[in-house]
Amino acid sequence: KAGVTQTPRYLIKTRGQQVTLSCSPISGHRSVSWYQQTPGQGLQFLFEYFSETQRNKGNFPGRFSGRQFSNSRSEMNVSTLELGDSALYLCASSIKAGAVADTQYFGPGTRLTVL
Amino acid sequence: AQSVTQPDIHITVSEGASLELRCNYSYGATPYLFWYVQSPGQGLQLLLKYFSGDTLVQGIKGFEAEFKRSQSSFNLRKPSVHWSDAAEYFCAVAVNNAGNMLTFGGGTRLMVKP
Repeated sequence: KAGVTQTPRYLIKTRGQQVTLSCSPISGHRSVSWYQQTPGQGLQFLFEYFSETQRNKGNFPGRFSGRQFSNSRSEMNVSTLELGDSALYLCASSIKAGAVADTQYFGPGTRLTVL
Repeated sequence: AQSVTQPDIHITVSEGASLELRCNYSYGATPYLFWYVQSPGQGLQLLLKYFSGDTLVQGIKGFEAEFKRSQSSFNLRKPSVHWSDAAEYFCAVAVNNAGNMLTFGGGTRLMVKP
């Protein structure tokens, strides 16, 4: 079974631009979560989607948004990029969402560099 | 709110030596606990998880971890380290009613001496 795929793998943008990252979960997985990884802040939860609905959101500004499609694929968007948005963005998928945590499987990430 | 502490930022061990990576969590009830490994430029790979039951859990690549409620710890162990184990290791917790949100520790970077 194919793993979580993320596109693109690398991205360079300039301040003020916007960016869209894509995540395709493992087949049959309906929950997709996004994380930001930086050297200073470590791994931080951005949001989780299940059945096209945002179920949880981390402590990030409104410039960070996401969505999920009916085939469970997800995109996240960052508008008005800042230098501090440079990070590895990781996507994770799991079979279910809800009150009980499920095992998540991570993709290889998208490395975003903001100049 | 829950939190995770990995006290050791860097650890160096010799190949063939035993390994223990420490993880302490803060949460009022029993959390769901995970260990992930990240090789350079890669995503996170799940090593093992604890949801309930036996407090000693076995994972992939010869790793095991023990949940100790009294110490709020979930330390990762391996009896004999291989050079390919050099990577960064993350402990994470998830809690009920927070969906699949994981709270990660800061990570421990493992270096293996030949």
